[in-house]
Amino acid sequence: AQKVTQAQTEISVVEKEDVTLDCVYETRDTTYYLFWYKQPPSGELVFLIRRNSFDEQNEISGRYSWNFQKSTSSFNFTITASQVVDSAVYFCALSEANTDKLIFGTGTRLQVFP
Amino acid sequence: KAGVTQTPRYLIKTRGQQVTLSCSPISGHRSVSWYQQTPGQGLQFLFEYFSETQRNKGNFPGRFSGRQFSNSRSEMNVSTLELGDSALYLCASSWRQFPGNEQFFGPGTRLTVL
Repeated sequence: AQKVTQAQTEISVVEKEDVTLDCVYETRDTTYYLFWYKQPPSGELVFLIRRNSFDEQNEISGRYSWNFQKSTSSFNFTITASQVVDSAVYFCALSEANTDKLIFGTGTRLQVFP
Repeated sequence: KAGVTQTPRYLIKTRGQQVTLSCSPISGHRSVSWYQQTPGQGLQFLFEYFSETQRNKGNFPGRFSGRQFSNSRSEMNVSTLELGDSALYLCASSWRQFPGNEQFFGPGTRLTVL
């Protein structure tokens, strides 16, 4: 069965600190896709990144970076020099081949204080 | 390009009533998925539609149903509402041209059942 675990329920940091959000997934498929979404207080889920199971290259986009490691079934997300606007709930999700169905983790609430 | 729109944004119903929620995908997107978000259960997959066909269904009772029209717009219906149906219902759309497409979410419909 597919499962996504985000063990960190809530993280609080002070502005400019770096923060890493953990995500561990389970799937029996060899082809799968991993996603991160951000949900600000407004409620709308905002797409951040997608990774497929064949691409283990890490990615950096501005202050955001992602570390995908198949050996540990992890897809962690790091925000460098966090800002108050980064405060939101972050969800990691998994989908398998031939479906758009997303299996979400329980989310990590990030609070960035000034 | 307009994003995913959902109507209505807020809804208050009483137990036993039925409700219909509407979702208009991003222009050109042919896949629509629905999710239920509650504090207790998190984000759970309801349905996935592509070209008017239901491709996948989540673990919800038969009171939850949906459909997709030829213009890719989708509706979901919940009959005989229960208190536990109170939730944020999110709709997402994607190209579905290739597997693992990123999905773009609407702002959601917040349903309150009294």
